Amino acid sequence: DVKVTQSSRYLVKRTGEKVFLECVQDMDHENMFWYRQDPGLGLRLIYFSYDVKMKEKGDIPEGYSVSREKKERFSLILESASTNQTSMYLCASSRRWTGLSGNTIYFGEGSWLTVV
Amino acid sequence: KNQVEQSPQSLIILEGKNCTLQCNYTVSPFSNLRWYKQDTGRGPVSLTIMTFSENTKSNGRYTATLDADTKQSSLHITASQLSDSASYICVVIHLTSNSNSGYALNFGKGTSLLVTP
Repeated sequence: DVKVTQSSRYLVKRTGEKVFLECVQDMDHENMFWYRQDPGLGLRLIYFSYDVKMKEKGDIPEGYSVSREKKERFSLILESASTNQTSMYLCASSRRWTGLSGNTIYFGEGSWLTVV
Repeated sequence: KNQVEQSPQSLIILEGKNCTLQCNYTVSPFSNLRWYKQDTGRGPVSLTIMTFSENTKSNGRYTATLDADTKQSSLHITASQLSDSASYICVVIHLTSNSNSGYALNFGKGTSLLVTP
């Protein structure tokens, strides 16, 4: 079974702190994603990576950066955490898109971040 | 404006009953549509994937239908169980040249289903 592992399930950080959210997948997937999920807003894409060291901004990249030094690991970085970044963060991965139906996208269990 | 609209926003049904969740979309050009189940505090898990040529797809007690002409999809849950209580998210994928991935995901806000004894 594919496994997408997010290292931290629950974090509490102070405003202004630098925060790292780590995600590791074990199926050699090319694509990895970071989303945030807020009540009433659904999932919103923060960043996407389609290969090692390759990244692409999603819909809400402001205040975030990412790092993908190895294929299996995709890190989300909050350079200076703010209270409006309190949210649930979901990592996902998939194989490179093929055909019309594409490939299954697998999600991690989520990381609940509270910024105080 | 969200390009994927789900209804109802929330739903409560008795155990053993059937229910149907709706997803309407305006995304174009359409590639495929997916339904995900998300248990509280967990990540979404894929239920079905359908391309425009597929009208229906089943996964156990879950049956998804797709009408690509009217841009509507439904997820039907048969003989509901307490474990079906979750949020169900419709995701529509379209092809785009604006992304190096070649595609973009459009998420509905989900339908929250509660199955009661």
